[in-house]
Amino acid sequence: GDSVTQMEGPVTLSEEAFLTINCTYTATGYPSLFWYVQYPGEGLQLLLKATKADDKGSNKGFEATYRKETTSFHLEKGSVQVSDSAVYFCALLPNTGNQFYFGTGTSLTVIP
Amino acid sequence: NAGVMQNPRHLVRRRGQEARLRCSPMKGHSHVYWYRQLPEEGLKFMVYLQKENIIDESGMPKERFSAEFPKEGPSILRIQQVVRGDSAAYFCASSSDPLKTQYFGPGTRLLVL
Repeated sequence: GDSVTQMEGPVTLSEEAFLTINCTYTATGYPSLFWYVQYPGEGLQLLLKATKADDKGSNKGFEATYRKETTSFHLEKGSVQVSDSAVYFCALLPNTGNQFYFGTGTSLTVIP
Repeated sequence: NAGVMQNPRHLVRRRGQEARLRCSPMKGHSHVYWYRQLPEEGLKFMVYLQKENIIDESGMPKERFSAEFPKEGPSILRIQQVVRGDSAAYFCASSSDPLKTQYFGPGTRLLVL
């Protein structure tokens, strides 16, 4: 079945450090891939998405490239800020629609 | 354009009581999804509804849980005879099409005492 495997946290970085959060997936067909961010006490906000192989999603300095050959969608940011502290979820939407499959989330804390 | 609205944001119930969670989708969205997030875990799909119809309830517990999305009004997730294990954050999402991005509400955090 469809699933998402996400790098476990927590991750602690200093401000301006480089961030990578790994995400790999298992799916039949050609799913769409997403990264959502959840700030403390809030709901999920869409961060970026990619709908087909080799697409790059980007937003607020974050990027992720849909790699079909490695079934991956790793999240990267060149220089993190304290305000990026949150939990990040990788998610997959099968091409048959209906439900999202979420990873378990990676907690990021950025210290000044 | 208002986002997905959920209420209440926090709900406290004693064991055996009923919990009713409400979700108003984004304007123009007719597809609603409910997810549950247990402490320290990711979101797990519960049910997908489209106006007056349950499309996929494969993630719903077989007993005590039900969901509806009437022609008028919000979608309701109902939990009867709550138990401590029901304590979680319940998120609603909506989309304009099942293959489109789902937008999430702020969640209802249910605590069962």
